[in-house]
Amino acid sequence: EADIYQTPRYLVIGTGKKITLECSQTMGHDKMYWYQQDPGMELHLIHYSYGVNSTEKGDLSSESTVSRIRTEHFPLTLESARPSHTSQYLCASSGVPGQGRSYNSPLHFGNGTRLTVT
Amino acid sequence: GNSVTQMEGPVTLSEEAFLTINCTYTATGYPSLFWYVQYPGEGLQLLLKATKADDKGSNKGFEATYRKETTSFHLEKGSVQVSDSAVYFCALRRRNYGGSQGNLIFGKGTKLSVKP
Repeated sequence: EADIYQTPRYLVIGTGKKITLECSQTMGHDKMYWYQQDPGMELHLIHYSYGVNSTEKGDLSSESTVSRIRTEHFPLTLESARPSHTSQYLCASSGVPGQGRSYNSPLHFGNGTRLTVT
Repeated sequence: GNSVTQMEGPVTLSEEAFLTINCTYTATGYPSLFWYVQYPGEGLQLLLKATKADDKGSNKGFEATYRKETTSFHLEKGSVQVSDSAVYFCALRRRNYGGSQGNLIFGKGTKLSVKP
């Protein structure tokens, strides 16, 4: 049962459009992440957040931006979509509510947004 | 640096066959190790984990033992089912916290197909 929700599930959009991928979690987790998954299945961390008003870039450079205004919400925005942005985007969260940073807490993933830019 | 190497797929097995997916890691210190599974059209789910040397993680008939001497965390299952068809990811997390060091590092994934 997913406690982390991503919308839309699929998105086909033209080049140059601005898009926002939504991610929300109901578990009160402090840490949230965005991964980009290429067709070869490999996962690349593109953004992460350790709490409200905290955002960091991940290991793979990305033209997208994120915000963390509320604990439960971690949207990802592309100001001008390009075909090279076509990919699957997975959102995840972790952390034990009320206990700050928990090292071994597992990641909970959403079902992903499959983005196609034409 | 930290890295995870897992065997390349795809792996195709018949139902009830024995499964091994190899995973080795490179890390300083003593990382925690994880196996995640991704079923078609879904996100990743934690399958099992081990947090220290000689720990054995197990779930749904899958097992993996944290071997510090060989820096390995191989995934095994004695008898696979068609429903086990999925992509399996090995991952590590370093104990040092701070910046991106506390984040998971994933292997490239191994696709498993089980035929009836």
